[in-house]
Amino acid sequence: GAGVSQSPSNKVTEKGKDVELRCDPISGHTALYWYRQRLGQGLEFLIYFQGNSAPDKSGLPSDRFSAERTGESVSTLTIQRTQQEDSAVYLCASSSGGALSYEQYFGPGTRLTVT
Amino acid sequence: GDSVTQMEGPVTLSEEAFLTINCTYTATGYPSLFWYVQYPGEGLQLLLKATKADDKGSNKGFEATYRKETTSFHLEKGSVQVSDSAVYFCALRGTNAGKSTFGDGTTLTVKP
Repeated sequence: GAGVSQSPSNKVTEKGKDVELRCDPISGHTALYWYRQRLGQGLEFLIYFQGNSAPDKSGLPSDRFSAERTGESVSTLTIQRTQQEDSAVYLCASSSGGALSYEQYFGPGTRLTVT
Repeated sequence: GDSVTQMEGPVTLSEEAFLTINCTYTATGYPSLFWYVQYPGEGLQLLLKATKADDKGSNKGFEATYRKETTSFHLEKGSVQVSDSAVYFCALRGTNAGKSTFGDGTTLTVKP
């Protein structure tokens, strides 16, 4: 079946502009995660959605970052007033549950470049 | 908070050599431990996992054993192939199951 998809695959934007990144999880997966991967570094947790529970936003680096999820489907990560340090690959993952044993399936990522 | 420290790279080996990539962690409670692999031009994939102490995860000839006493989860393979060239990430999921903590990744290059 279809895996996690993300769009756009690449985004170049000017400093100060807003951007929206989209994630389509695997159908039926109740949990959805956003991570940021800076060049040469590991993944940095941003936000986690699980079913109808309040999202865990503890990883969002500033109030310029926000994310929404429509039911148990698509999610949008919004970065307002982008800065050069926001340049990174943004990865989305989904899993069939939120417990430790559920495997996370990752999308291909959106490469964001802020000029 | 939780943290993962893995062996710095890059690592370059000849085909059929033995591979070890070290990974140690700090976490409260009893986390699950994972190795992910990112092949060139591809997304992150789960390679193997272990959910409790002394468990051994294995896949594609790779193995890692969850060692609580040394807080380690070292990745090993007895004989690497050129196709194993990739970036390998050690990760844990702790008491907050929504949040995975990743190491910085180790780039492996295998030469024929």
